Amino acid sequence: ETGVTQSPTHLIKTRGQQVTLRCSSQSGHNTVSWYQQALGQGPQFIFQYYREEENGRGNFPPRFSGLQFPNYSSELNVNALELDDSALYLCASSFYNEQFFGPGTRLTVL
Amino acid sequence: KNEVEQSPQNLTAQEGEFITINCSYSVGISALHWLQQHPGGGIVSLFMLSSGKKKHGRLIATINIQEKHSSLHITASHPRDSAVYICAVAPEYGNKLVFGAGTILRVKS
Repeated sequence: ETGVTQSPTHLIKTRGQQVTLRCSSQSGHNTVSWYQQALGQGPQFIFQYYREEENGRGNFPPRFSGLQFPNYSSELNVNALELDDSALYLCASSFYNEQFFGPGTRLTVL
Repeated sequence: KNEVEQSPQNLTAQEGEFITINCSYSVGISALHWLQQHPGGGIVSLFMLSSGKKKHGRLIATINIQEKHSSLHITASHPRDSAVYICAVAPEYGNKLVFGAGTILRVKS
């Protein structure tokens, strides 16, 4: 148990729709990172939030956006879903350099 | 060339065998992580290393900073060890983990 939870566990959407994925971190972990893992690939960094501000972004378009809240929860929002957005989305909270991963949300875009 | 390379990509072992998975990286790092992912599952952090060696149960992780290389060893492997093992590095500069593609391990009984 890492103390990091994600919801929902599975989600099916259609092209063009919008989706919000949620992550709840451990108390005191003020950094959260989001990753996308396509089938058979390693995770790719989407962005990181530190104390509610974006603190770095990977090579993802602006339709991927996020929020971090004072209660150590965070959201990943994806607009105008595309088929290639189908993946496992992982959040990881960190305390110093130690990363704690959530179980992931599997998103399928039809 | 990827910043983090793992080998082998796939590994099949018999129960009880000693297993080694290798990770090489090309950037300066502040830490290296070994992660485990079961099919369809989320990721579990096994080790975080910045130098030397760590042991937890049947798992041992080593890192050589000068050679930019790390190994994950599993002693007395068991079918429940079957999973994808991923090496990820935290670069010295930057705030994201960079992941290897993973090693798919299957341990047969």
